[in-house]
Amino acid sequence: GAVVSQHPSWVICKSGTSVKIECRSLDFQATTMFWYRQFPKQSLMLMATSNEGSKATYEQGVEKDKFLINHASLTLSTLTVTSAHPEDSSFYICSAKKGLAGDEQFFGPGTRLTVL
Amino acid sequence: DQQVKQNSPSLSVQEGRISILNCDYTNSMFDYFLWYKKYPAEGPTFLISISSIKDKNEDGRFTVFLNKSAKHLSLHIVPSQPGDSAVYFCAASEGRTGNQFYFGTGTSLTVIP
Repeated sequence: GAVVSQHPSWVICKSGTSVKIECRSLDFQATTMFWYRQFPKQSLMLMATSNEGSKATYEQGVEKDKFLINHASLTLSTLTVTSAHPEDSSFYICSAKKGLAGDEQFFGPGTRLTVL
Repeated sequence: DQQVKQNSPSLSVQEGRISILNCDYTNSMFDYFLWYKKYPAEGPTFLISISSIKDKNEDGRFTVFLNKSAKHLSLHIVPSQPGDSAVYFCAASEGRTGNQFYFGTGTSLTVIP
């Protein structure tokens, strides 16, 4: 199998605080991980592509200083939402690929962020 | 600019009948397509894929059809089951190993028992 986990599954925070979301590939090594954001009734929007040991590549319009991504190991990537505001409230989903030859992305269960 | 579009936000089908979900794309460089299924508050689950060298791929009850000239693909589910009720996303990329997938906005399928 190919299982991807996310932690936490749901987080509520006050405006101005920072929140860290973890994405782990449990039974495989993921050289590439992706972070998506989904607004209600909208498509998954790719935020950034994260390769182990290198800086993440952010999509146009995504603030790299606000959404800090660290891919410290082949099984872990973290997304930190810095100085969160209510408009950052969303469903954040990570996915991982099994190396370069893999064509399938395995998705985590998602993290619901609510900023008060 | 939405490069992958699913124009039907919702679809209701009777159990046992065929469900047909449609997807259109604008980028002619896309040559690899996938369908994902998503339950509320869960991550998407891969269903089936197709590359541009084929026009049909079948896996059990799920069949994906690709019409490259029309830049259109569809997912057929037959027979539909209540457990198929979910949101279905189509996604496209440039190449099988392309890192960036562009998702449609999803179609919410309800299968009525």
